[in-house]
Amino acid sequence: GNSVTQMEGPVTLSEEAFLTINCTYTATGYPSLFWYVQYPGEGLQLLLKATKADDKGSNKGFEATYRKETTSFHLEKGSVQVSDSAVYFCALRGGGGNKLTFGTGTQLKVEL
Amino acid sequence: EAGVAQSPRYKIIEKRQSVAFWCNPISGHATLYWYQQILGQGPKLLIQFQNNGVVDDSQLPKDRFSAERLKGVDSTLKIQPAKLEDSAVYLCASSLQGQNPGDTIYFGEGSWLTVV
Repeated sequence: GNSVTQMEGPVTLSEEAFLTINCTYTATGYPSLFWYVQYPGEGLQLLLKATKADDKGSNKGFEATYRKETTSFHLEKGSVQVSDSAVYFCALRGGGGNKLTFGTGTQLKVEL
Repeated sequence: EAGVAQSPRYKIIEKRQSVAFWCNPISGHATLYWYQQILGQGPKLLIQFQNNGVVDDSQLPKDRFSAERLKGVDSTLKIQPAKLEDSAVYLCASSLQGQNPGDTIYFGEGSWLTVV
């Protein structure tokens, strides 16, 4: 079945540092890929998505590229802010299963 | 546009008691989902409705969990009797249609359940 593997957290960075959160997936066919963000005490919000290979999703300075050859969808941001502190979930849908399958989440802490 | 509404936000119950959560999806969304998120884990799908029919309930513990979506709009998730391991956040979500993998799924703020 489908599965998603994310790097473990917490990831602690200083403000304005470069961020990478790794995400790899296993699926048959060609799934759609998503990054969701969960701020403390809140529900999940869609951050960005990509629906086919080589697509780049971007939002709020974050971006991720759908790499079929490496089955990856790494999240990057050039300069993080304290307000980016949250838990980030990589997820996929389709490619042998229609339900949204999540990774375990990566907690990001950004300090001044 | 109003988002997915859930209530109650927080609930504490004793084991073997019952609890119910309510969800109102985004207007016009045909597909409704209930997810369970245990602390430190990613959300897990419990049940998916397409209008008022069940599409997937393969991971719903049917001996204690039940869900319904009467009239294809609001939904209720019930747990009876609750166990300690049911302590989690119960997330309701909705999407326009269920068949397109690229459709965005929108989540509510969640109902936080603690079983003591």
